[in-house]
Formats: sequence, C-alpha cells, structure tokens
Amino acid sequence: GAVVSQHPSRVICKSGTSVKIECRSLDFQATTMFWYRQFPKQSLMLMATSNEGSKATYEQGVEKDKFLINHASLTLSTLTVTSAHPEDSSFYICSANDPRTGRYEQYFGPGTRLTVT
Amino acid sequence: DAKTTQPNSMESNEEEPVHLPCNHSTISGTDYIHWYRQLPSQGPEYVIHGLTSNVNNRMASLAIAEDRKSSTLILHRATLRDAAVYYCILPTSGTYKYIFGTGTRLKVLA
Repeated sequence: GAVVSQHPSRVICKSGTSVKIECRSLDFQATTMFWYRQFPKQSLMLMATSNEGSKATYEQGVEKDKFLINHASLTLSTLTVTSAHPEDSSFYICSANDPRTGRYEQYFGPGTRLTVT
Repeated sequence: DAKTTQPNSMESNEEEPVHLPCNHSTISGTDYIHWYRQLPSQGPEYVIHGLTSNVNNRMASLAIAEDRKSSTLILHRATLRDAAVYYCILPTSGTYKYIFGTGTRLKVLA
C-alpha cells in the first residue's frame, strides 16, 4: 500500500523559533497533500491543502503567515511553523492522495509531535 | 460538506463482533463513505470504503443502508489491537478534503 513518512517524529523547540516538518510519499506521487493538527483528546483539524506547484489553500482561521506550506515536488510537502509559541504545541499529521487510484483515499503519515517551550 | 454523526464511545469484549454506526443523512449521491481508525499517537489508518454496496476486506466489513443515510463498520472478532478511535468520513467531492468528526472511541475488554 501507499506509504507516507514524516520527519521528525518529535521536535522540541524554544518559543520564537521556527520549525520545519517534512511529509513524503514514499512509493507514489502525490499531487495533493493535506496538513492536520490534533490536540490531546480531540479530533484531527484540517489546516490546509497543499497542491504540487501551486500555493496552499488554508482553512478558515488558520494563519497562512504562521504556517508556511511548500509542495515543491510530487513526493514532498513541508510545513514550517514560524515564531512558534507554546500554544502551537500539538500533533501535526500530513496525508497524501494517490491520483492513480482515481479515488478519494488519503494515506496518512505517522505524525509529528511538536512541543514549544 | 456532508456531516457524519457517531457515538462518542463503545465497548466490546474481545473475540466478539463490534458494530460501529455512522449517520450521514445529508449524503449526496456521489459521496463515498470512508472509515479510518487512529491508534494513540499515530496517524489515521485506512480501514474500508464504499459507495452503495456492502464491502468486505481483511480488516472489516462495511454495511451501507439502502438509502445511504447511515452505515455500519463491522469488526467480526474484536481484538485488543482494535482499540482505537474510528472515524466515518465523507470526502468533499472534487477537493478530496476530509473533515473529521469526533469519531467513536472503541474500548476492547479482555
């Protein structure tokens, strides 16, 4: 099956610094990738849709200048949390769609736990 | 976006079947029904999907009501490893977006 990886799996950073999270589709080309955020005991919240070669589409209430998304290739999307603050601490999950299937399944990465101190 | 409603939590005994319901009364004719599950501290895992007919795979079965306004995920023999949050999702047509509801937290008792 289609595999999606994320790096790093865990990261701790100081308040005010920026953190980059990578999302890779390992065995398929993903024209569309998605970024989610999940707080403890809560469901996944869609942050943005990332399309290869074009600007990301952000969901309402998500600050595009704070959460920079780049999808420069068909196998890699990155999420950069700029000027991170403790309230940005969360579990960040990416997913990718495999257009070869012609269907809507998304394949999810294992997640990145961000802790801002 | 078509919404889904699921019970917050359910319990099952190990080795017994589990029926996880999902209501999606505003579903449109072309909406697929997808089920995923999420184990603690992991990304969601695909379980099964369907459109109109009941579906079976090695993980589970999906029973879809005739009017498609509800569906049921069936785990035939629950194991402790099936303890997870199960999400029923109707992808947004044309955009492939998933909007996650609260899901059902399944607890499996030994």
